[in-house]
Amino acid sequence: NAGVMQNPRHLVRRRGQEARLRCSPMKGHSHVYWYRQLPEEGLKFMVYLQKENIIDESGMPKERFSAEFPKEGPSILRIQQVVRGDSAAYFCASSPGTGGPEQYFGPGTRLTVT
Amino acid sequence: GIQVEQSPPDLILQEGANSTLRCNFSDSVNNLQWFHQNPWGQLINLFYIPSGTKQNGRLSATTVATERYSLLYISSSQTTDSGVYFCAPNPGANNLFFGTGTRLTVIP
Repeated sequence: NAGVMQNPRHLVRRRGQEARLRCSPMKGHSHVYWYRQLPEEGLKFMVYLQKENIIDESGMPKERFSAEFPKEGPSILRIQQVVRGDSAAYFCASSPGTGGPEQYFGPGTRLTVT
Repeated sequence: GIQVEQSPPDLILQEGANSTLRCNFSDSVNNLQWFHQNPWGQLINLFYIPSGTKQNGRLSATTVATERYSLLYISSSQTTDSGVYFCAPNPGANNLFFGTGTRLTVIP
């Protein structure tokens, strides 16, 4: 049973470019969460999605960031017009349902903005 | 949101030693997870432990939800145990709240 998959594992973007991060949940999981980890810090929640729905985006910056989880295909975290402060590790997690079940994390995408 | 404090922030152990990591949280929780982030940055699930005690090999964890803390025990530490250990409770929200972690270094 494959785990949570994320790609790319490393992404380098120049300031002003767009970054697209992809996440495929574990088989049988329909709930996806995105977290961001700044250097030397713990992970911070960004957004929680189910298929075709954003359930909670309370941790998402108001501008430049968006997320989707279409009916078919992976979940996408999109960052427009990246800035140096967006450099971080972005982790995706999935779970089989809501109400606080165990979350399983992918290997992360390390975004570097030059 | 819930406040999560982990102690100690840094820990250096001689291989073979035992240790206890602590996680205090400020609110009641529905569940709690412990993770190990290895030196390559990957997050490894250790325990899903809303309450009680669980054991997995050399690791065990105890959560006392009524007193708002959880403990992670590492026995007979090995160099491969090095990394950062995170506690992440869920107070019934949609997400986990991560502490700042305990950085463990095991020296041969």
